[in-house]
Amino acid sequence: AQSVSQHNHHVILSEAASLELGCNYSYGGTVNLFWYVQYPGQHLQLLLKYFSGDPLVKGIKGFEAEFIKSKFSFNLRKPSVQWSDTAEYFCAVNAENYGQNFVFGPGTRLSVLP
Amino acid sequence: GAGVSQSPRYKVAKRGQDVALRCDPISGHVSLFWYQQALGQGPEFLTYFQNEAQLDKSGLPSDRFFAERPEGSVSTLKIQRTQQEDSAVYLCASSRGPDYNEQFFGPGTRLTVL
Repeated sequence: AQSVSQHNHHVILSEAASLELGCNYSYGGTVNLFWYVQYPGQHLQLLLKYFSGDPLVKGIKGFEAEFIKSKFSFNLRKPSVQWSDTAEYFCAVNAENYGQNFVFGPGTRLSVLP
Repeated sequence: GAGVSQSPRYKVAKRGQDVALRCDPISGHVSLFWYQQALGQGPEFLTYFQNEAQLDKSGLPSDRFFAERPEGSVSTLKIQRTQQEDSAVYLCASSRGPDYNEQFFGPGTRLTVL
């Protein structure tokens, strides 16, 4: 069965620090990969997605993620975080032959200190 | 509306009561998904509709959970004889169709079973 792990439960950074959130998945076939963000009191919003092509994907708000197939990873990065990036971040995988649903990781809570 | 809407936003039920949660997907979206998100966890897949057809209900945790989408638009998730372990946020998502993997999420219904 598919599973998604996120390395950090809670990350605390100061403004302007660099961010990297880890995501690993277990499925060996073709996958579509996503990062969603949930700001306090708001619903899940798509940050970025990878379907195929360039493994370095750029999303909204300065976020990017790199798909490394050999490592089954899709880590999220941002060179300089802002206080407004404080949120919960979820990695999700949709794997070919596993239907249309997403498998989500447990989430990483990011707190950015002003 | 422009996004996925869900009602009610909050629901408190006594153990043993039946509840019904409603989802209005984005107009024209063929695919509709229900997820359950327990506190501090990522969303977990419950069921998937393509138009009015329920193509995957493998994530429904018990036969107390039932979902329908009779006209291929609005969907209802019903939980019979609620238990305390059913307390969670229930998320609805929609997408344009099976060839479009991006899912758009609603704000969720927070269910508390006392």
